[in-house]
Amino acid sequence: QSALTQEASVSGTVGQKVTLSCIGNNNNIGNYAVAWYQQISHGAPKTVMFRNSLPSGIPDRFSGSKSGTTASLTISGLQPEDEADYYCSTYDYSLSAWVFGGGTKLTVL
Amino acid sequence: EVQLVQSGAEVKKPGESLRISCKASGYNFITYWIAWVRQMPGKGLEWMGIVYPGESDTAYGPSFQGQVTISADKSISTAYLQWSSLKASDTAMYYCARRYCSTTSCAEVFDYWGQGTLVTVSS
Repeated sequence: QSALTQEASVSGTVGQKVTLSCIGNNNNIGNYAVAWYQQISHGAPKTVMFRNSLPSGIPDRFSGSKSGTTASLTISGLQPEDEADYYCSTYDYSLSAWVFGGGTKLTVL
Repeated sequence: EVQLVQSGAEVKKPGESLRISCKASGYNFITYWIAWVRQMPGKGLEWMGIVYPGESDTAYGPSFQGQVTISADKSISTAYLQWSSLKASDTAMYYCARRYCSTTSCAEVFDYWGQGTLVTVSS
């Protein structure tokens, strides 16, 4: 069982806004920066958000936020190319390890 | 441009040893941590461990301590993940990733990833 909990699947139509969530606790999300990674068709992960900032080249329809022990990734104006698995991640000091969520499969209808 | 280029796919038998690599370019290799992440077939991402090339400091995830060895050769800007005796359950895709650091501090996130190395262990 992952230290971080994500929805197994989320779907949306083109142009819609969707929000993915990542639930942790004070050992991890509550005290550390969170990153979101996109994995398209089992290719290499790509960082789409960290510290609520966009890496270079990531479209600004992606945004991130954190409130307490929950982090969120919002995609506004969903596009077909956003269909992918999304993983949240951060450090957990009780485990002395980086942890990942189980991943959310985003389907664009 | 920051790049992490990993070595090619490997097919091994149980009990064999293996070392895969991750060559970094486009930044000062010795000042950024490099992590290894496992993805078993059809599964999610798992953090295996991390190395700081400047001082060869390492840390391992609980499930991987004693099972693998992570190292780095700063003379050739390359990080390694190695096994002394592979098992069928080591069959997976392995990714290296750079830990994000600003000029003042490092965060608990990874900003660049390698393309992955597929390791298949089968008799």
